[in-house]
Amino acid sequence: GESVGLHLPTLSVQEGDNSIINCAYSNSASDYFIWYKQESGKGPQFIIDIRSNMDKRQGQRVTVLLNKTVKHLSLQIAATQPGDSAVYFCAENIKDSSYKLIFGSGTRLLVRP
Amino acid sequence: KAGVTQTPRYLIKTRGQQVTLSCSPISGHRSVSWYQQTPGQGLQFLFEYFSETQRNKGNFPGRFSGRQFSNSRSEMNVSTLELGDSALYLCASKGGNTEAFFGQGTRLTVV
Repeated sequence: GESVGLHLPTLSVQEGDNSIINCAYSNSASDYFIWYKQESGKGPQFIIDIRSNMDKRQGQRVTVLLNKTVKHLSLQIAATQPGDSAVYFCAENIKDSSYKLIFGSGTRLLVRP
Repeated sequence: KAGVTQTPRYLIKTRGQQVTLSCSPISGHRSVSWYQQTPGQGLQFLFEYFSETQRNKGNFPGRFSGRQFSNSRSEMNVSTLELGDSALYLCASKGGNTEAFFGQGTRLTVV
């Protein structure tokens, strides 16, 4: 069943194109940022992370960019595939003794065949 | 390696009842955190446990509580259920140098 918001911003891309999903975070004290992918009926799945001492990190077909000046995070997916269709969340962790993620509101990615 | 296991997957309860949800983390992971996901509020942090101690708590009423056992398994309890407690409850397990791994969640419906 549906497990995420009904009124999320939606990004629709053609299969094979690149996708860019953006996120604004709120806390200057956050030192760790993560992108999660959530498919319907499933829990969030880790995609890639980045620490605050980095500006860019690359994974397989994905790149995360961090701009601390404007508190902005982006996820780039290269050669988007139908299996990439999901809701994507950014999350921030504030540096302290515990592990507490603050999630963004999410973006729905639809890949057109 | 087994993932994070949450039970039950689905639950229907009546207003005023209480409910207990269970989470078994990945073997060796000592941090377990809980999140509530609703269409209106998104994913919100409930609490985090590490070695049987609550290290952090989100902004939820006292009706929401949790605990962690010596084997790192965790339970969360919601008492005096309200309609607004209907949500997907997610558990995340984390090791020392790993990212958080989420379970598939428990879908709670309060009628």
